[in-house]
Amino acid sequence: QSALTQPASVSGSPGQSITVSCTGTSSDVGGYNSVSWYQQHTGKAPQLMIYDVSNRPSGISNRFTGSKSGNTASLTISGLQAEDEADYYCSSYTTTSTLVFGGGTKLTVL
Amino acid sequence: QLQLQESGPGLVKPSETLSLTCTVSGGSISRSSFYWGWIRQPPGKGLEWIGTIYYSRNAYYNPSLKSRVSISLDTSKNQFSLELSSVTAADTAVYYCARPLRYFDWLPAYWGQGVLVTVSS
Repeated sequence: QSALTQPASVSGSPGQSITVSCTGTSSDVGGYNSVSWYQQHTGKAPQLMIYDVSNRPSGISNRFTGSKSGNTASLTISGLQAEDEADYYCSSYTTTSTLVFGGGTKLTVL
Repeated sequence: QLQLQESGPGLVKPSETLSLTCTVSGGSISRSSFYWGWIRQPPGKGLEWIGTIYYSRNAYYNPSLKSRVSISLDTSKNQFSLELSSVTAADTAVYYCARPLRYFDWLPAYWGQGVLVTVSS
């Protein structure tokens, strides 16, 4: 199975908004609403930020929003803060009863 | 509060079998319709799904690892385990165990802190 496609890096200034894309196929991202986004700070375990494409777990800031169009899911972070600097990964369930992750995107807050 | 904790040897020799255990606290493995999973992350690289086991003991594996991996449940100890055979340096990674938010979901929500396993002679 192929990894979902994410940009290697994105950057933005404090207060700005950024969007991270996650492109798959109709067999994964496009086929289900089972897409999640994770934030990972260096040396830490991933933290769930978005599930089911656009839902936020309890305790996650509403600055984080998720969406999907066709085979591409997106994570938007608004009002960028220094603490948002981290790696971000998307993940999707697939038609072959497996999970697939994106390659990860490094967010730099300038 | 649900907590997951990985444990096992931090160093494994090439060609041997890597064995890890995930101990679950704050929830019962046997009494709930959850999928329990293993994910790994080589140093400096991205996340890779290894496999998932349902409480009924049906297991699902990454096709690229399927011939070498086995995941099992030990309900008496509230643990689930990973075995990866014939390891090479490419299997050096931080290994995480995880559980989704809800019954029947697949995508991880709760993660252990991870354990670094190095494959080296």
